[in-house]
Amino acid sequence: QVQLVESGGGLVKPGGSLRLSCAASGFNFSDYYMNWIRQAPGKGLEWVSYITSSYNIIYYADSVKGRFTISRDNAKKSLYLQMHSLRVEDTAVYYCARESRGKIDYWGLGTLVTVSS
Amino acid sequence: DIQMTQSPSSLSASVGDRVTITCQASQDIGKYLSWFQQKPGKAPKLLIYDASNLETGVPSRFSGSGSGTDFTFTISSLQPEDIAKYYCQQYDNVPLTFGGGTKVEI
Repeated sequence: QVQLVESGGGLVKPGGSLRLSCAASGFNFSDYYMNWIRQAPGKGLEWVSYITSSYNIIYYADSVKGRFTISRDNAKKSLYLQMHSLRVEDTAVYYCARESRGKIDYWGLGTLVTVSS
Repeated sequence: DIQMTQSPSSLSASVGDRVTITCQASQDIGKYLSWFQQKPGKAPKLLIYDASNLETGVPSRFSGSGSGTDFTFTISSLQPEDIAKYYCQQYDNVPLTFGGGTKVEI
């Protein structure tokens, strides 16, 4: 079955960096577009970034543009999110999510990123 | 960006009640709308896609309708396990955007 497992979250100081990973299994990873979506504690869902299956199209939310970089390694069936210049407002659970024919159909369990001094 | 306005933000209903949630898009999104269920501490789960298509394995008491800018999500007979927060989400345009959520309580 489809599984998405995020890792790499943790506590980081404002201005710091963190790299999130998402390991995919149970489907042909290279066929699917992938997203990062986050949820601040007690808040709603915010889309962060998106990458197509062949890496050729990438989008970012304005709130992270210039600070975050999405990437993927189809051979390793992995999705990544490199985060720099982290802010307190980036504190959230970060979910890796698969996109199928436009719709997001599977989510990982999430990894918590806490930005605090 | 397309704004998604979801209402109500919370509701309380009894087991067996019909529950309806609405979602309005700030511009025409065609049929490109999903509904998700999120239970505390869990990831969201896809229930409805393309506004009215039931995801495989989802109970038939859940349904969706609408197109363009106005959408409705219905639970025909509320069950105790349906206690959760529900979100609409448009995927017609980037950035993907979500409604603010509806907390359903018994």
